[in-house]
Formats: sequence, C-alpha cells, structure tokens
Amino acid sequence: EAQVTQNPRYLITVTGKKLTVTCSQNMNHEYMSWYRQDPGLGLRQIYYSMNVEVTDKGDVPEGYKVSRKEKRNFPLILESPSPNQTSLYFCASSPDTVGRGETQYFGPGTRLLVL
Amino acid sequence: AQSVAQPEDQVNVAEGNPLTVKCTYSVSGNPYLFWYVQYPNRGLQFLLKYITGDNLVKGSYGFEAEFNKSQTSFHLKKPSALVSDSALYFCAVSLAGGTSYGKLTFGQGTILTVHP
Repeated sequence: EAQVTQNPRYLITVTGKKLTVTCSQNMNHEYMSWYRQDPGLGLRQIYYSMNVEVTDKGDVPEGYKVSRKEKRNFPLILESPSPNQTSLYFCASSPDTVGRGETQYFGPGTRLLVL
Repeated sequence: AQSVAQPEDQVNVAEGNPLTVKCTYSVSGNPYLFWYVQYPNRGLQFLLKYITGDNLVKGSYGFEAEFNKSQTSFHLKKPSALVSDSALYFCAVSLAGGTSYGKLTFGQGTILTVHP
C-alpha cells in the first residue's frame, strides 16, 4: 500500500530532551516536507526537501533540524524541545515539488507534548 | 512572501443546500492553488487543485472551486452539502517556479458543519 508513515504517533517529553520523529514514504517521491498544525494557525511548513541531500527552510524552521540521506526517509529532529513546540506534526511527500503543482500525500500525524 | 487567508473560521449549512468556503491568496507570480480536507482525528486528504487552464476546477466528492485571478480568490463550492462533508478545510498556495518553489503556504482552516 502506498503510504507515508510517521513514528511515533504520540509523544510526551520534557523540555530539552532531544527527540526525533521519523517519516518514511514508499512511493519513490522526490519531494518531502514537514508541517506543524496549531489551532487558529492552520498548517505551517517547517522544512522541505526537493531530493536526497537537498533541504530548505519553510516558514517556521527555528528549533528544528532535518536530514535527507535516503530518498524514502525524512526525519524531523528537535535537539532541545520547548513547550512552544507542542503541536501536531505532519509529514508529506509528492512525486515532484509543490512548485510544479504536485499534490501532497500526508502521513497520519504525530501529536507532541513538551512539558 | 506568499500568504493565504480563509476569512471564515466556521461555515454552517443545512444538508442539501449549496456551500461555499472562501479563500484568498497573495503570491508574487503565478499561483498553484490547492484545497485539502481533514476529517476528525485523521490526516489531510487532497480535494482539488488549480494549475492552469479552465478557471473552474472539479475535484473529489462533488467539490469544485473557481480560480479568480483579478480577485485573487479560489473559493471552494458544492451544489448540495452532505452531513458527511463536515470537516476542516484548508486552502493552500505555492508559487509556480521561482526561488521559493518548494514552499507551500496554508490558510488557517475553515470548519464546515453541515446540519441534517
């Protein structure tokens, strides 16, 4: 089944404890992206990747890191999480970039609570 | 910079009536426009998109949207609403080409409630 998977789905952590949210897609997509969803703010793009070893900042990259060492994986790293990073996170992928009009396929989401 | 505005936080409509969810955008160049829907406790699903060509775009589940360049709008419409259409709807824009052409900007979302 073609899909985008995220792990973990739910995570409670404490301020300053490094964490990684994994994202994997099995569709051989070039483009991958991370978003956070907050009430009243919609989805905001954190980072995106056009291809392996090519990443770029979205609108809210502060406090986050990403890497794209393999085409299928695009982990989101919070090196020192803070309570304002409590949010619902979505990973998405598409065959090509959104700048060429491609449709995003979204993962199921990861709900993160930072205490 | 690109932006999207969805001026209504909530839209309420009776089943069988037409519905409209509004979206306006700002982008310095030609836009690609998208509508996504989020059902409770689920991820986002694609509804429809405007790339080029006909300004009236038809999508999934009977939804359609009209691209209006002069008004920079991309309103989502359906002739006859169903209770099952109740969900959170997001409009999004990307810039066609250019240095920011990997960015996708979403609106804040509109909760659609269809009453029986």
